[in-house]
Amino acid sequence: DAGITQSPRHKVTETGTPVTLRCHQTENHRYMYWYRQDPGHGLRLIHYSYGVKDTDKGEVSDGYSVSRSKTEDFLLTLESATSSQTSVYFCAISESTSGGYEQFFGPGTRLTVL
Amino acid sequence: TQLLEQSPQFLSIQEGENLTVYCNSSSVFSSLQWYRQEPGEGPVLLVTVVTGGEVKKLKRLTFQFGDARKDSSLHITAAQPGDTGLYLCAGVRAQKLVFGQGTRLTINP
Repeated sequence: DAGITQSPRHKVTETGTPVTLRCHQTENHRYMYWYRQDPGHGLRLIHYSYGVKDTDKGEVSDGYSVSRSKTEDFLLTLESATSSQTSVYFCAISESTSGGYEQFFGPGTRLTVL
Repeated sequence: TQLLEQSPQFLSIQEGENLTVYCNSSSVFSSLQWYRQEPGEGPVLLVTVVTGGEVKKLKRLTFQFGDARKDSSLHITAAQPGDTGLYLCAGVRAQKLVFGQGTRLTINP
């Protein structure tokens, strides 16, 4: 258990409203990631962070912003939600292990934009 | 554009049969990983392959990394209903992962 929690776990919102998803980790990992998962696409990287206040874009970053003011929290914000952002969102951390490199994922947030 | 192509995307077979899932790319990765995901949960790492030509076994699962480090395969022998799930391959590149589309595997009793 890598100590990753996501909140909320489920959310239904309307088009045009702002939405913030929270990822919290308890083990001081430097790298944190936000993915979205949609049928037929696997997981696609939205944004990632390599330290406090250090973030960068992933492959599907349009319409999303992130912030990391503390090591343990990584926030994903949809400034004005659209129906195309209906998805399951996963947060992850990365860790160097005896096997090399591994990402540990949170339980996911199911977001529905009506 | 999907950098990693997984096939098949869906596979439904009977208990006891063998199966192979493929993960192909035109790009080279430093290593390649296979994850398994259960409904309502995040993916969990099964294995990492690093060296071209490497073969790793995890009980009835055999993972192979292509010689050129661009492709990989997952072979399951004598599949069981407990193997049912979504299998994802992921290429590792500079502390980031690039995922394939996933293979949804169903093993029927």
